[in-house]
Amino acid sequence: DAKTTQPPSMDCAEGRAANLPCNHSTISGNEYVYWYRQIHSQGPQYIIHGLKNNETNEMASLIITEDRKSSTLILPHATLRDTAVYYCIVRIYAGGTSYGKLTFGQGTILTVHP
Amino acid sequence: DTAVSQTPKYLVTQMGNDKSIKCEQNLGHDTMYWYKQDSKKFLKIMFSYNNKELIINETVPNRFSPKSPDKAHLNLHINSLELGDSAVYFCASSRQGQGNTEAFFGQGTRLTVV
Repeated sequence: DAKTTQPPSMDCAEGRAANLPCNHSTISGNEYVYWYRQIHSQGPQYIIHGLKNNETNEMASLIITEDRKSSTLILPHATLRDTAVYYCIVRIYAGGTSYGKLTFGQGTILTVHP
Repeated sequence: DTAVSQTPKYLVTQMGNDKSIKCEQNLGHDTMYWYKQDSKKFLKIMFSYNNKELIINETVPNRFSPKSPDKAHLNLHINSLELGDSAVYFCASSRQGQGNTEAFFGQGTRLTVV
């Protein structure tokens, strides 16, 4: 799985958009970008994933650059409950010998303040 | 309706003891995992089972023995517990194949070895 690089921490004001960057310059053509988050004392939670097109769901938007070497997770209106560690993970979509294995890095600690 | 449930949530035990952590998922998934999160908050995969068959074993000491009696359960038995085994253990499940294969995590079991 490709290595990812994220800033160790970020701050965001409540109600504003939180933009979390991720670099994955060694990503291969069949690897997807996944985002998970871990709220304190809970298990990781899936947010969104994408291959090359931008994606949006009820939680967030994912913007992937055209060369696929970086991406940005956008929480459009951050709330205090969005304070968590956000993990950007690159992996093959499904099947194969990885069988859905997730390789977590250090992630970005996002703190949303009032 | 908890999707992935682990028991117990907290476990305090003495060195040298043998203990088990249970995990059950009601999502109909065919793949289950155990992850370990150490004191530095690094999340790392330990095992993966697909249809009750061991798929991934990430060089975990053989004191750790996962058991999958059926697709909905993956238990973790640990023999001769050591201080370094203290961590939070997360169970997860996902579906293989096409479509959304996001992983769902349990709430974690905090193991403290004294």
